[in-house]
Parts: sequence; C-alpha cells; structure tokens
Amino acid sequence: GENVEQHPSTLSVQEGDSAVIKCTYSDSASNYFPWYKQELGKRPQLIIDIRSNVGEKKDQRIAVTLNKTAKHFSLHITETQPEDSAVYFCAASRGGGNQFYFGTGTSLTVIP
Amino acid sequence: KAGVTQTPRYLIKTRGQQVTLSCSPISGHRSVSWYQQTPGQGLQFLFEYFSETQRNKGNFPGRFSGRQFSNSRSEMNVSTLELGDSALYLCASQGFSNTGELFFGEGSRLTVL
Repeated sequence: GENVEQHPSTLSVQEGDSAVIKCTYSDSASNYFPWYKQELGKRPQLIIDIRSNVGEKKDQRIAVTLNKTAKHFSLHITETQPEDSAVYFCAASRGGGNQFYFGTGTSLTVIP
Repeated sequence: KAGVTQTPRYLIKTRGQQVTLSCSPISGHRSVSWYQQTPGQGLQFLFEYFSETQRNKGNFPGRFSGRQFSNSRSEMNVSTLELGDSALYLCASQGFSNTGELFFGEGSRLTVL
C-alpha cells in the first residue's frame, strides 16, 4: 500500500517568515494530494490540494508543489501569522473512491 | 448545510468493553470513512463505506468493524477494548466526486481505562 512520510514533525517560525512542510509518497498511482489543517481541538479542514497533472498551485499565502518523478510534494506558507499555528497533515490518494493515506502531521507554531 | 456530526463526543470505557460510535454525513454524501487519530501517528485509516458497502479497509484488527445504513449514516464498533484503543476517532464524508475533499466531523474521543 501507499506510505506517506511527512517532515518535520514540529516547526517553529517567527511571524512573517515562511514555513515549508515536505511529504513523500511511495505509490506512483497516487494522483491527488490534499493538505489539511487541524487547529487545537478542532476538526481537520482542507486548505489546499493538488492533482498529479499540475506541478504547482497557489492560494494567497499558501502554495503546494508536486514533483511526480521524485514522489514528493510540499506545502509553503508565506508571511506566516499566529493564526497559522496548527497541525498540518499531507495526504495521498489514488482517487476514484480509494482511501486516503495521511502523513503523521507537522505541528507549526508561529511566534508573534 | 449541516456538517458531519459524530456522537458521542467523549466517552470513557474500561478494558474488555465494547463501544459504538455514530456518524451522520453531510446530506447527499454517500461515502463515509473512519480514521483513528493518536499523537505522533497522524490519521490512520480504518475503513470506508459507500452506499452501504465497505469499499476499503485499513490494517486494523477484526475488533474494529463498521457499517453504513441506507441513509448513509455510519457506525463503527470496537469490541474487547484495549488501552491502546484510546484515541480520537474521526469520521469524514465525501461528496459525489469521490476524488476530492474529505469533510471531517469533530470526532469521538475514546478513553479506555
């Protein structure tokens, strides 16, 4: 089955700096890669996703890049703000009703 | 549109007991999946149901089971509880595309003593 690895497990940045979280996957058939944000005590929520036919996607301060050859994808958050503090999970799926495989999460702390 | 609803939100059980958790998906969503969340382990997939059929199953022992009803509501059951079953159990529903966003409930936090 698929194996998704996520690094780092914890990340602290100063407010205004950028944060990068990286994930690797093993199944070359995976074609959908979402990122979820889970604030303390709340449910995970989708913040951005990318499909295998796209190399990069951006939404305001958040961007995701995908390298299919190397089987890795990354989340980039620019101009970080305290409200970006949360746990971020990457995931991979083959789509079409197949299950999602999640990384172990990155706890991001933005220091004011 | 109401979100994914999970009940109960919190429960405490003792070893050897069994527990049933319930999940009501977003109206119109036919796919419901269950995840176990523990510190350091992330979200581990338990199983996924679509139109009352289990479509995918994760690597959990047979003590973990589930089902889905005709109204898409789903239940999961854990029998013979162990201390290691203490976790947040998240349910997620998915819409018609089946390739897109998972909508999570707030979870059921199970503590096994």
